[in-house]
Amino acid sequence: GAGVSQSPSNKVTEKGKDVELRCDPISGHTALYWYRQSLGQGLEFLIYFQGNSAPDKSGLPSDRFSAERTGGSVSTLTIQRTQQEDSAVYLCASSPFRTGAETQYFGPGTRLLVL
Amino acid sequence: DAKTTQPPSMDCAEGRAANLPCNHSTISGNEYVYWYRQIHSQGPQYIIHGLKNNETNEMASLIITEDRKSSTLILPHATLRDTAVYYCIARNNAGNMLTFGGGTRLMVKP
Repeated sequence: GAGVSQSPSNKVTEKGKDVELRCDPISGHTALYWYRQSLGQGLEFLIYFQGNSAPDKSGLPSDRFSAERTGGSVSTLTIQRTQQEDSAVYLCASSPFRTGAETQYFGPGTRLLVL
Repeated sequence: DAKTTQPPSMDCAEGRAANLPCNHSTISGNEYVYWYRQIHSQGPQYIIHGLKNNETNEMASLIITEDRKSSTLILPHATLRDTAVYYCIARNNAGNMLTFGGGTRLMVKP
């Protein structure tokens, strides 16, 4: 089927507003990751889900960031009271989580611009 | 994940093979070699991975040395659309975040 999809593809918001970013993983993939990438920078890990639970939230930069995953499928990343430094491309990846090697497949990203 | 070292940039003529090297001299026995690429303004794209044996798929070939301390990604007939940053990663456990190093910026020229 289809690959990882994300919506919206672009989001412009004003400082202080809340935003929700959505990720639809590949069907059947149990693991889901959120990363962000600032312009010209590498990947910054945010959070990882295995099913609906998040064993690793270590990358969330502040308590303004939260994420949930329901039904072991769709995930939403919420940023409250957005700041200009939140501007980045937010990337979602999913994987089938087999032991040993694990391939993560990425979506196209959501480009967030906070004015 | 083991540290990997790649040249920062390479050029390749369109239609020629692009050979991208990667050193991973501290790789452990259970770490796989993964290659991803990122085309400008797009999400990272999985290319190929391998453990010991050479691997080939529709996108590329991966040649891993017998001692596993280095590998080469081969794009057999590079096209302009292969211009991207290519990342080599050595990793094992599922559930871990991906960490990209500097990668190799491949420029395919007409």
